[in-house]
Amino acid sequence: GENVEQHPSTLSVQEGDSAVIKCTYSDSASNYFPWYKQELGKRPQLIIDIRSNVGEKKDQRIAVTLNKTAKHFSLHITETQPEDSAVYFCAASKAAGNKLTFGGGTRVLVKP
Amino acid sequence: GAVVSQHPSWVICKSGTSVKIECRSLDFQATTMFWYRQFPKQSLMLMATSNEGSKATYEQGVEKDKFLINHASLTLSTLTVTSAHPEDSSFYICSAQRGLSNYGYTFGSGTRLTVV
Repeated sequence: GENVEQHPSTLSVQEGDSAVIKCTYSDSASNYFPWYKQELGKRPQLIIDIRSNVGEKKDQRIAVTLNKTAKHFSLHITETQPEDSAVYFCAASKAAGNKLTFGGGTRVLVKP
Repeated sequence: GAVVSQHPSWVICKSGTSVKIECRSLDFQATTMFWYRQFPKQSLMLMATSNEGSKATYEQGVEKDKFLINHASLTLSTLTVTSAHPEDSSFYICSAQRGLSNYGYTFGSGTRLTVV
């Protein structure tokens, strides 16, 4: 089955700096790659997603890039703010009705 | 937008008792429901996938007789933790998918289960 690895597990950045989280996946049939932000005790919140027919997608301070050949995708957060502090998860799925497989998560701390 | 209501948000039960968790899709029909478990400081691990009217498909290592899943309608899925033990204490969360597309997974708000 699909295996998603995520790095780093923790990331501390200064407010205003950029944060980058990287994920790799194993199943070349995966075609949907969402990123979630989860605060303690809350549900995962979709922040951005990308499909396999697109190489890059941007939404304000957040961007995701996808390299299908290398089977990796990355989340970029620019101009980080303290409210960006949370746990971020990448995930992958491959077809209709298929499960999401999550990466291990990255705990991001933005220091004021 | 799509909303999944999950109840209860937290529950404390005694060891050996059973607990039922409900997820309802409020404004769409959930063709598929995924049930995840998340231990502290860990990722979401899929327990089972259920399709309306069918038996759930359980992930390897998940006891189907312990974690009973019912998806009797397109708007309601339940997870029952039977004979709960302290090691079952976790955050349980459902995720609904509509139609035959992997466009969008709508998560419930999660249930914090503590077994004492």
